[in-house]
Amino acid sequence: KQEVTQIPAALSVPEGENLVLNCSFTDSAIYNLQWFRQDPGKGLTSLLLIQSSQREQTSGRLNASLDKSSGRSTLYIAASQPGDSATYLCAVNHEKLVFGKGTKLTVNP
Amino acid sequence: NAGVTQTPKFQVLKTGQSMTLQCAQDMNHEYMSWYRQDPGMGLRLIHYSVGAGITDQGEVPNGYNVSRSTTEDFPLRLLSAAPSQTSVYFCASSYRGGNEQFFGPGTRLTVL
Repeated sequence: KQEVTQIPAALSVPEGENLVLNCSFTDSAIYNLQWFRQDPGKGLTSLLLIQSSQREQTSGRLNASLDKSSGRSTLYIAASQPGDSATYLCAVNHEKLVFGKGTKLTVNP
Repeated sequence: NAGVTQTPKFQVLKTGQSMTLQCAQDMNHEYMSWYRQDPGMGLRLIHYSVGAGITDQGEVPNGYNVSRSTTEDFPLRLLSAAPSQTSVYFCASSYRGGNEQFFGPGTRLTVL
């Protein structure tokens, strides 16, 4: 059974800092991995999708990497801003999405 | 495009009542799914559908029914609500099961 773990569960950083969120999964037989952002009381917003054949994807200040053989992905956020404060979820996809429990990020002004 | 829409946004039920959570998408996606999100448990898959007329169970299907008569709609039915079904419910869709998934805004359900 696929299991997805996100470390740390919570992270607090000062504005402007670069940071890395971690995601690990137990079964490397995946189609893709997706990173989401969730604001309190809101739905999930897709940030980046990495196909299993890709090593990384970039969107603005966000960069996600995937090492399928070791079962790891990272989400790098450059020059963090208070507006980046949210919970970040990773999910691996093999017909069905399996989610981690998320990392709650707080960026302090 | 409206994307994935869900109604209602909020609902309070009494134990034993029934209701249907609505989900619709206008992107002509074949794959649709329902998740519930609970504190400390993350998002868990309830039911999914790979196309009209085809549904299957996810991780936590007990107490929920689904059907898929059209490509656009995927309602989730609670036949006899229980307090354990208090949760936030999200519907999602994608072109195929292995593609990028898009989520609706959620329905917050409380069962008293």
